[in-house]
Order: sequence, then C-alpha cells, then structure tokens
Amino acid sequence: KAGVTQTPRYLIKTRGQQVTLSCSPISGHRSVSWYQQTPGQGLQFLFEYFSETQRNKGNFPGRFSGRQFSNSRSEMNVSTLELGDSALYLCASSYGDIYGYTFGSGTRLTVV
Amino acid sequence: AQTVTQSQPEMSVQEAETVTLSCTYDTSESDYYLFWYKQPPSRQMILVIRQEAYKQQNATENRFSVNFQKAAKSFSLKISDSQLGDAAMYFCAYRTFNSGAGSYQLTFGKGTKLSVIP
Repeated sequence: KAGVTQTPRYLIKTRGQQVTLSCSPISGHRSVSWYQQTPGQGLQFLFEYFSETQRNKGNFPGRFSGRQFSNSRSEMNVSTLELGDSALYLCASSYGDIYGYTFGSGTRLTVV
Repeated sequence: AQTVTQSQPEMSVQEAETVTLSCTYDTSESDYYLFWYKQPPSRQMILVIRQEAYKQQNATENRFSVNFQKAAKSFSLKISDSQLGDAAMYFCAYRTFNSGAGSYQLTFGKGTKLSVIP
C-alpha cells in the first residue's frame, strides 16, 4: 500500500511570506503528526490531528497552524515566514497510538 | 519532561562487523514505548525496531536488536553484520503521553550518524 506522501519535496520562500505543506497519510490512518527537523534543535513535535481535530500541539508560535480533512489528509501552514523556519518538515501517520508511526520523506523549506 | 539522550554524534563500523548505538532517556512513567528510527539521505524516517517497556524481552528484527535496561533507562541498538545500506542517521525516540491532550507524541534524541566502511 502507498506510504505517507508529502508535497512538495522542496520549497523556497521569502521572509514574510506564508507557506502551506501537504501530507497524505496511509489509507486508514486517522492520526497525522507534524515534526520540524533542524540541525540545531533536532526533531521537534509541532502538532497532531485525529479525525479532523487538533489533539495535541507542541511549543511553537501561533504562526504555525494546521488542519485535517475528512479523508485524513493534513496541511500545515506557516505564516510570516522567518529565516529560522528553514527546516525539514516531516509528517507521520498512525493507525493507533500503539502501532508506531510511519513517516513521509518530508518537505525541505528554505526561507531566504 | 521526558528527555532522550544519544551521546554518540557519529560512529563508524566496518562492513560485516557489529556496532552498538547508545540511548538513554528520562521518564517517570512506568509503561511506555521506545523506538529506533533510521533516516537515510532520502530523508524518510524508517522504523527499525520498537520496544514496549512492560515487556522484559529485548526486541529483535533480523540484524537489529536492542538491549533494553529499564532500571537504568537505557535503550541501545545493536546492528549485526553491518551492510553499506545501514549507513544513515539513527534516532532514538520515546513515546510521550500528553495527559492534557489525551494523546501521544514522539520525543527524539539528537541522532547518531553511522558510517559503514567497505
């Protein structure tokens, strides 16, 4: 079966712009989580959606938001981009919490 | 707050040899899950092995096995018969329960970069 699909793979944006990243989970997975990966901070939890509801949120400013659609696909949005938002954004889906998480290949965001 | 520490930023191993990657964690929970993920240059995080804390038996997946020491809060990964394809970043992760949210999230270590020498 298809894995977790993230689009686009690469993105270059200018400071101050906003960006939307997309994640399509494995079919049947209702939980989608987002993580930010940077060389300095490592992997940090952004938020988790389950059945179209944000169930959990990490310690990130309000510029970071997301949503989940009825087909479980998720988007995350970053407004007023800053240089420090340059990172690899990873999405992970799960059938249930005890089963672990399957990750996508990420979206590499560069803010210039 | 739970923390995960990987003390070896980089390691190398000769092809066909065995290597052990270290991971320690801090938690006050008694029941939890631990994971090792592999991230090759393709960037996708691939689940290598999972350990449930209430199971005393160490998890094994083919050439990958763990040494889980619950009292010491240690969770090391052993890779036997190392292959060139094992070269990657390896991340240790702890599944944290957020009681306020009623859901789980992963807390990752900083990672260990493994090189395999032909």
